[in-house]
Amino acid sequence: GQNIDQPTEMTATEGAIVQINCTYQTSGFNGLFWYQQHAGEAPTFLSYNVLDGLEEKGRFSSFLSRSKGYSYLLLKELQMKDSASYLCAVRDGDSGYALNFGKGTSLLVTP
Amino acid sequence: KAGVTQTPRYLIKTRGQQVTLSCSPISGHRSVSWYQQTPGQGLQFLFEYFSETQRNKGNFPGRFSGRQFSNSRSEMNVSTLELGDSALYLCASNPGQASSYGYTFGSGTRLTVV
Repeated sequence: GQNIDQPTEMTATEGAIVQINCTYQTSGFNGLFWYQQHAGEAPTFLSYNVLDGLEEKGRFSSFLSRSKGYSYLLLKELQMKDSASYLCAVRDGDSGYALNFGKGTSLLVTP
Repeated sequence: KAGVTQTPRYLIKTRGQQVTLSCSPISGHRSVSWYQQTPGQGLQFLFEYFSETQRNKGNFPGRFSGRQFSNSRSEMNVSTLELGDSALYLCASNPGQASSYGYTFGSGTRLTVV
């Protein structure tokens, strides 16, 4: 099985930077994904990490440390539209190609 | 390129009934995964199909079942519905390899059991 932990809620100010952490335990790590989900909508893919290090994609960056079972999603220059739930998901190669999700972090961006 | 299509979008059923949900993946994608999303538990994995075979299964009772057809479309069935089955059911499609390609989700079917 897997344990995937992330904070339940976070609040940040428009224009600021926020870091959302995710820790996991898995036996056959095969990649970590971050998704964004607005209320009432489907999750949308943000980033993928399989090797240690930082992946940057515009205002969003994701970091992975496999030895620590740790990842974070960094959001820069926050905008009001970034208010959403952010989901960390781990793919375990020992149990096929399905993703196992954390419960998500609800981010509120305030003016 | 059409996205992942789930039907119906909304469904209301009575306890004890059964329900079938449908998912059409992105053209060319051979893997379809199903998830149940509830406010308390988040996204929980149900099962994954690849080339008409169930490749992986989550920790749900046998009342939850699924299948995949030769055109990669998938259905999931829930029998003897319980109030606790009320949830958003999401499917996600993927080409099928363990790649960096993100899994693309459909808009989901909102099931309410009364």
